[in-house]
Amino acid sequence: DAKTTQPNSMESNEEEPVHLPCNHSTISGTDYIHWYRQLPSQGPEYVIHGLTSNVNNRMASLAIAEDRKSSTLILHRATLRDAAVYYCILAISSGSARQLTFGSGTQLTVLP
Amino acid sequence: ETGVTQSPTHLIKTRGQQVTLRCSSQSGHNTVSWYQQALGQGPQFIFQYYREEENGRGNFPPRFSGLQFPNYSSELNVNALELDDSALYLCASSSSGLAGTQETQYFGPGTRLLVL
Repeated sequence: DAKTTQPNSMESNEEEPVHLPCNHSTISGTDYIHWYRQLPSQGPEYVIHGLTSNVNNRMASLAIAEDRKSSTLILHRATLRDAAVYYCILAISSGSARQLTFGSGTQLTVLP
Repeated sequence: ETGVTQSPTHLIKTRGQQVTLRCSSQSGHNTVSWYQQALGQGPQFIFQYYREEENGRGNFPPRFSGLQFPNYSSELNVNALELDDSALYLCASSSSGLAGTQETQYFGPGTRLLVL
């Protein structure tokens, strides 16, 4: 299984940027990097994904290293509502299925 | 646009019983995946259905089975429940056809199953 490594937990102050790191040294050339987050008592929520280039959307930015062995999810201004578990995932194809292989994620705490 | 819905929200069963969980996929999505999330862990892939056929399975025994209907809604059935089956069961829908592994999955709120 394609694996990712993330810190177990991180803290941030409200309205400050947050950089969530992820290592994926076994990534293959066609694997997309996905980020999901899970708020308490909810299902995971898609945040962003990318292949090689840095990506931006209304929620976050994704910075991908040139060798693709690591990436960083950037929340530009953290709010209390961003407190969640953030999962960095390499989506893999299992036969015809495309499955998300979740690790343990990073628990982000946002301090007021 | 209606998101992914699951029913019931909570369920309590006893060991050895059978359970059926239901999922309605997001409008326009033809693929449904099921995940099991034990307390404090990330979700684990159970299986995926595409056009009413199972097209991939994770490391789960055959007593975990599923169905997908013509309207793309889905059921997860678990027979001979064990205590370790207590978990949050998540359904995710997606629209296949995208190249490679960039497909985005949209999750429902989950069904919390407790096996006593």
